[in-house]
Amino acid sequence: DIQMTQSPSSLSASVGDRVTITCRASQGIRNDLGWYQQKPGKAPKRLIYAASSLQSGVPSRFSGSGSGTEFTLTISSLQPEDFATYYCLQHNSYPFTFGGGTKVEIK
Amino acid sequence: EVQLLESGGGLVQPGGSLRLSCAASGFTFSSYAMDWVRQAPGKGLEWVSGISDTGDTTHYADSVKGRFTISRDNSKNTVHLQMNSLRAEDTAVYYCAKGERLPGTPSLIDYWGQGTLVTVSS
Repeated sequence: DIQMTQSPSSLSASVGDRVTITCRASQGIRNDLGWYQQKPGKAPKRLIYAASSLQSGVPSRFSGSGSGTEFTLTISSLQPEDFATYYCLQHNSYPFTFGGGTKVEIK
Repeated sequence: EVQLLESGGGLVQPGGSLRLSCAASGFTFSSYAMDWVRQAPGKGLEWVSGISDTGDTTHYADSVKGRFTISRDNSKNTVHLQMNSLRAEDTAVYYCAKGERLPGTPSLIDYWGQGTLVTVSS
């Protein structure tokens, strides 16, 4: 099974900060990766697919990059509504696996 | 608008069974793979199971293999998760999710239901 290691597990940041979250795969997964945002008590929402393609309707301050084993999600200028938990998901091979999550909190 | 509505959650004793259902609307159900994902209280997301658009291919996480069975009824736009031999560690919110077909790769989840809570406790 492919393991997804996500870091950091949590971070504190201020509105306007640039934030970067990383996911590392235990083996190459091409660009078969998505990023999701989850707010408390809500279902996750997809932000990025194919590692770097922005989901329709998602603000352009979100971007994804990477291929193979290392991937990043960047929020260029953190907004109040971005405080949430973020997860990566590999869909290269079954069983699919999520990263452990990154909780973005207000500094 | 894509809608996924889960049902069937509740309290069950260890060793018991439960069947979750997900009613889908707003898209051509028979053309898309479907998944179940769970989230234990205060924990991260765990992919549980997936089924192909025709229902002829299924996949499971190691943690549920042999105990859970995913199925679908394309005539009723529903997907089910039969959960047997339930354990305390199966306690979670279970989400139904739709897969988006992407070129040359298994489908990636694009839409989620709101989830149904399963509690395994005596």
